[in-house]
Amino acid sequence: AQSVTQPDIHITVSEGASLELRCNYSYGATPYLFWYVQSPGQGLQLLLKYFSGDTLVQGIKGFEAEFKRSQSSFNLRKPSVHWSDAAEYFCSFGSGNTGKLIFGQGTTLQVKP
Amino acid sequence: DAGVIQSPRHEVTEMGQEVTLRCKPISGHNSLFWYRQTMMRGLELLIYFNNNVPIDDSGMPEDRFSAKMPNASFSTLKIQPSEPRDSAVYFCASSLSGSGDSPLHFGNGTRLTVT
Repeated sequence: AQSVTQPDIHITVSEGASLELRCNYSYGATPYLFWYVQSPGQGLQLLLKYFSGDTLVQGIKGFEAEFKRSQSSFNLRKPSVHWSDAAEYFCSFGSGNTGKLIFGQGTTLQVKP
Repeated sequence: DAGVIQSPRHEVTEMGQEVTLRCKPISGHNSLFWYRQTMMRGLELLIYFNNNVPIDDSGMPEDRFSAKMPNASFSTLKIQPSEPRDSAVYFCASSLSGSGDSPLHFGNGTRLTVT
């Protein structure tokens, strides 16, 4: 079955520390992969996407993600977290021509001063 | 670009009442999606349209839910009759092409509370 797993429901990091949010997917082929961020009371905003090619992709707000086919993973990283990064992060993938995205359960990021 | 516009932002209604949620997608986008977000179930795709035609409504919970897209710039999600378990945030999203590589653009959602 197609699925996305975000193992960490809640993560707390100190401001200025590095961040890695995990994402694993289950799909028979290489999917289209996305990370979205949701601030309180807002809709989801696209951070970055991977379709093919270079496995390390850069996104907005200083985020990057690396696609690892052997591990079926697409982890999100940021070298130095800012207090404004506190939000909920969703990994998702799309497949084929349907446009249908499957979302993980989300990871809530808390940033300590 | 105004983005995806949803109305109302908040809706409080009593059980048994009809609820209509509205969405205006980004101009030029061919696909529109309705999602529901709850703490227990996360983000669930309810239905999506491509070129105003419903493509997949397998996520619609039951017959009380219906969605329409009469034209390229407007969609509604209706719940009749509403129940307390329908309380959630409902998001509308649109995408340019409706293919798997086309990112979604989300509205700010409608928070529905059914008492």
